[in-house]
Amino acid sequence: AQTVTQSQPEMSVQEAETVTLSCTYDTSESDYYLFWYKQPPSRQMILVIRQEAYKQQNATENRFSVNFQKAAKSFSLKISDSQLGDAAMYFCAYLTGTYKYIFGTGTRLKVLA
Amino acid sequence: GAGVSQTPSNKVTEKGKYVELRCDPISGHTALYWYRQSLGQGPEFLIYFQGTGAADDSGLPNDRFFAVRPEGSVSTLKIQRTERGDSAVYLCASRESGRPGGTEAFFGQGTRLTVV
Repeated sequence: AQTVTQSQPEMSVQEAETVTLSCTYDTSESDYYLFWYKQPPSRQMILVIRQEAYKQQNATENRFSVNFQKAAKSFSLKISDSQLGDAAMYFCAYLTGTYKYIFGTGTRLKVLA
Repeated sequence: GAGVSQTPSNKVTEKGKYVELRCDPISGHTALYWYRQSLGQGPEFLIYFQGTGAADDSGLPNDRFFAVRPEGSVSTLKIQRTERGDSAVYLCASRESGRPGGTEAFFGQGTRLTVV
């Protein structure tokens, strides 16, 4: 079975600085999809960025980028120029071949003014 | 609709009671998911619908939990004989069909269930 591990329960970053959130996963599938979701206090999960495993190029969305290392089964999220509005829980997720999303336990990001 | 809508936003019930949680997905989305999120944890898969049928219900913890989607749009998660351990946020998400990775899952704001 696929698993997703986020080893950082909490991270802090100074406003305007860069922070990296870690995620590792375990799977025997060769083609799959990975996501980072943001969950603010409103509880609604919002997609931050997604990566298709067959694409070697790392995905980028404005200030958000990933470092996807398929062989190492690692999928980290880099947030550049951190803003106060980035403060939230961040979840790494894996989409299985049977269309089920598996989530990690989350990392709480604090942004310090 | 504009987004995934879940009602009620909060629900407090007594131990042993029956509850229904409703999810109204984005119009046209044929895939619908229910997740449970306990405090400080990530969302835990419960059930996935493709159209009217449950494609995967392997996450339902026991036979007290049941979900339906009779017309392929609105879904109801039903919990019988609630227990205090059922207290959690119940999240619903919907997704277009077709290429699974080409589209994202859109989540509602969840229903916070508290069993006292």
